[in-house]
Amino acid sequence: GAGVSQSPSNKVTEKGKDVELRCDPISGHTALYWYRQSLGQGLEFLIYFQGNSAPDKSGLPSDRFSAERTGGSVSTLTIQRTQQEDSAVYLCASSFPRTAREIDYGYTFGSGTRLTVV
Amino acid sequence: GDSVTQMEGPVTLSEEAFLTINCTYTATGYPSLFWYVQYPGEGLQLLLKATKADDKGSNKGFEATYRKETTSFHLEKGSVQVSDSAVYFCALRSGAGSYQLTFGKGTKLSVIP
Repeated sequence: GAGVSQSPSNKVTEKGKDVELRCDPISGHTALYWYRQSLGQGLEFLIYFQGNSAPDKSGLPSDRFSAERTGGSVSTLTIQRTQQEDSAVYLCASSFPRTAREIDYGYTFGSGTRLTVV
Repeated sequence: GDSVTQMEGPVTLSEEAFLTINCTYTATGYPSLFWYVQYPGEGLQLLLKATKADDKGSNKGFEATYRKETTSFHLEKGSVQVSDSAVYFCALRSGAGSYQLTFGKGTKLSVIP
């Protein structure tokens, strides 16, 4: 697609329920990133996928968070047993990762999914 | 670890006023520095970048100079417009081989006619 597409754009869920957030990256971008934007905070790195390599999960805040990327394209971020502190905007980005220039200029963000846990 | 500190908002300016948003950073090595902008209802967009000391990034009338001696990358614009109203994020990428961006908390700018 022309840009990074995320769905849903808004999600309200009850505490304790599981949620799935979807990201469809730019066609051909092999690198995919998830970030979280909490109220009053900057963007927090969550996870990075590059091709068939093992993902960098170093930013996931707890084991309730997981993500997968099927076929090197679409990614799903899953939050199990949601808590109120999970309320945030979840942003996905994609890029070509081969060179620094490609990362810097090609890092493209989606519009995000606003998650509200009530 | 890497960190970015930018001035707290919100910032409210009249149209045609001068804008400065301060940004300082802590990083190992020689990071690339960025300003991203988030307009209402839209995703983050790269506004400008600089990759080495004394580089000046510029776009849409905005400028920022990479100052290694003061570890700063302040954003400036000489005459803001209502359409510049947005949230501005300073960010860095730690250098060769790094793909993760470290962001500041963002500064909301409102420009009134």
